[in-house]
Amino acid sequence: TQLLEQSPQFLSIQEGENLTVYCNSSSVFSSLQWYRQEPGEGPVLLVTVVTGGEVKKLKRLTFQFGDARKDSSLHITAAQPGDTGLYLCAGLLNQAGTALIFGKGTTLSVSS
Amino acid sequence: DTAVSQTPKYLVTQMGNDKSIKCEQNLGHDTMYWYKQDSKKFLKIMFSYNNKELIINETVPNRFSPKSPDKAHLNLHINSLELGDSAVYFCASSLQNYGYTFGSGTRLTVV
Repeated sequence: TQLLEQSPQFLSIQEGENLTVYCNSSSVFSSLQWYRQEPGEGPVLLVTVVTGGEVKKLKRLTFQFGDARKDSSLHITAAQPGDTGLYLCAGLLNQAGTALIFGKGTTLSVSS
Repeated sequence: DTAVSQTPKYLVTQMGNDKSIKCEQNLGHDTMYWYKQDSKKFLKIMFSYNNKELIINETVPNRFSPKSPDKAHLNLHINSLELGDSAVYFCASSLQNYGYTFGSGTRLTVV
């Protein structure tokens, strides 16, 4: 079973549209991280959220951590072709000796 | 300056061969990881080392053996390669699990 459910898996939109990607779990995470991965490269950290209810903004990207620290969302306003890529959520359980657990990713395609 | 560098970028080899992937980080991080990304882009943790000590050893065939000579290096050796080992392998590092920095990956193709 997948610990972090990420949706949608694929998203194809036009430039200027808004979109939201969701990351859900039944487990509580000490932190939730969002990464973006381009073809042929490794994931690059966008943001880390650690407090329940926390909202962080990165230009046109808004990240939210659920109050219960079980879910998170990424909202992109006025998407641009440069936003195209694979978006990954990843959670860290509050247990010693664990590493980031990744969702299956959302492949975003923004066309002009 | 490359923060996390892994070599080689591409590796094509025949079944049954033994191969190694090297990883180095110059960030001063205390923890290093190996992740496997499958054809559907799912990233799964394989191993984690903290200051040269093995912390995580997920359910991975014992043909895979990590080695950390110092906290800046984490290598992955694979024996008797199988077709199913074909994937992209990523090295990453972090400081106390806060924000991982990934290498650019090694695409392994077993033929």
